[in-house]
Amino acid sequence: QVQLVQSGAEVKKPGASVKVSCKASGYTFTSYDINWVRQATGQGLEWMGWMNPNSGNTGYAQKFQGRVTMTRNTSISTAYMELSSLRSEDTAVYYCARGSGSCLDWGQGTLVTVSS
Amino acid sequence: SYVLTQPPSVSVAPGKTARITCGGNNIGSKSVHWYQQKPGQAPVLVIYYDSDRPSGIPERFSGSNSGNTATLTISRVEAGDEADYYCQVWDSSSDHPGYVFGTGTKVTVL
Repeated sequence: QVQLVQSGAEVKKPGASVKVSCKASGYTFTSYDINWVRQATGQGLEWMGWMNPNSGNTGYAQKFQGRVTMTRNTSISTAYMELSSLRSEDTAVYYCARGSGSCLDWGQGTLVTVSS
Repeated sequence: SYVLTQPPSVSVAPGKTARITCGGNNIGSKSVHWYQQKPGQAPVLVIYYDSDRPSGIPERFSGSNSGNTATLTISRVEAGDEADYYCQVWDSSSDHPGYVFGTGTKVTVL
């Protein structure tokens, strides 16, 4: 069965960067886009961007342009999302999700807390 | 940028029908996807491409899309359907195409 397993919770100081991983299994990693979506406590879903694991092509939401980088390592079927210049408003659960057009399957989420 | 508007909450008695709307400019020309999210869990896709159900999703869940409104319908509502529901489209109309999520609707089973 398809599984997306994300890295563990992180606590970061303002101005730092965080890198979250998403290891895929149960399907051909390069056949589906990986999206990143975040959700602050009590808030809705916010799409951050997508990456094509085959080509490495990416597309980022305008809000995160310049601060987010999505990469992958196809040899270990793992996608990464790095967010820089963290601020308190970036405190949220970050999800990876497989799919093109829709999010077919989701990781379990990674809580990133930004606090001084 | 493209905006999807959902009612904040919908309440429904067990066994009745819940309808959750998702409003957007000419949304009928786009493909709409719906997600269910229970507290502390990741979202789950329940409807894709307006009205298709992924395997494992009960037939009680259905979708439609026309004009400026898409609708998720849950028939014969059960206690386990209590959750937040989000609609989503792909918006290619701006300089930064991407996914757009609705504001979310909390479904309460009375």
